[in-house]
This record gives sequence, C-alpha cells and structure tokens, in this order.
Amino acid sequence: QSALTQPPSASGSPGQSVTISCTGTSNDVGAYNYVSWYQQHPGKAPKLMIYEVNKRPSGVPDRFSGSKSGNTASLTVSGLQAEDEADYYCSSYSANNFVVFGGGTKLTAL
Amino acid sequence: QLQLHESGPGLVKPSETLSLTCTVSGGSISSSDFYWGWIRQPPGKGLEWIGSIYYGDSTHHSGYAFYNPSLKSRVTISADTSKNQFSLRLSSVTAADTAVYHCARHRCTSTNCPFDYWGQGTQVTVSS
Repeated sequence: QSALTQPPSASGSPGQSVTISCTGTSNDVGAYNYVSWYQQHPGKAPKLMIYEVNKRPSGVPDRFSGSKSGNTASLTVSGLQAEDEADYYCSSYSANNFVVFGGGTKLTAL
Repeated sequence: QLQLHESGPGLVKPSETLSLTCTVSGGSISSSDFYWGWIRQPPGKGLEWIGSIYYGDSTHHSGYAFYNPSLKSRVTISADTSKNQFSLRLSSVTAADTAVYHCARHRCTSTNCPFDYWGQGTQVTVSS
C-alpha cells in the first residue's frame, strides 16, 4: 500500500480539464511544499511534470498545473490532449520516510 | 545531455542479494549539486523510493546515503566515482522484490528535491 493515496483512474474528453488528487498526511503533503508529479507512458521512464507543488520544469506545457490544500495535493490537466494519456504519480517529502509516492492514477482521454 | 543506465542480473534467487549499477554519462556523480537515487516499481503497482546517495562532499569519502526505513536493514547504496557509477545492493530478496528498478537524479542537494532525470529501468525477477 502506497503512502500517498491517489484515485486509480481519471478520464476526460479532449479539451476538457481533469484533476487528479493525492492525499497524504500532516507528516508529508500537509507539512511541506515539496510535492511533485510525474507522468509515465507505458514502458517509459517517469517524467517530472510539477515540483514544489506548482512549479513546472522547462519544457512542460502550461496546461499542467499543481496545487495543494491541507493534506491533499492536486494535478490539473487543462485542455486534455490524447498525448496526456498516461499514468501519473505524486510524490512528497516526508520527514519520517524522506521520499514517498502515490499509487498512481491512469488518465484516459475519452 | 545527462543519461542514466541501469545494469545487472535480471533474475535473482530468493534469499540472495540483488546488485545493480547505474552508469551516468553527461554529468558527474561527484557534483556537489545533486543527489542520486534508486526507485522501484513492482508489476502493476506504484513507485517506491529505495534510497539516495550524495557524493559531492570531498571530506566524506564514502558519501552520505539515505534509505527508505522499510528497506533500510537490507539496502546499501554506494558509488564509484572513478567509473561515474552508483550501485544498489538489496539482500535477502523475496518475490516481493520483483520490480523494475530505476536510477535517477535529484535536481538538487536534498531528498526533498524531485527526480529530474531517470534511467529507463531494468526488470529484476526474484525466482528460483
């Protein structure tokens, strides 16, 4: 069982906005602004999409955004595109365990 | 362009030790700017951080390593700066250790820094 809780699946039609949640505790997500999101296509390595809750690395489209409220972080994909179909994982720094991940969410573009 | 590549046996017997190496090109593991880590992904499951190492402090010759507490008793991460490699050893393996193992770079000098470069991963199966 993963330390952070994500819904197993999410979906939306092309052009719509989809939000994926990531729930932790007051020892990780709630305590630090060190939440990251990774995108993973089948058979590929994960790709960093968001770090420090809402920052985008160079080259990541601004359709991807992050936020946090309390112990829950969220990733929003606006203007969903077919190429966004992938697995998404959240991660947080945790004082007890250093680095914790979520179980992943499979995003489907309908 | 930084590249990481994992290598090692794809099959390990139960109770034995899993050993993997990550070879880094396009950058130095001795850099004082980054940590380096191992993450695994069991089949059909999520990512799990195994541990990370920092080798950028010249006064600490064996580097600083940080481990997932749930694996700490079985894990050792070390580095060979002459080969620009860092390695993972996981002892007393069971079927639960079957996974794709990735090496990756933290984008700064702390375990709170995200992983910005990843290797493709290598499948390790634990079976007799």
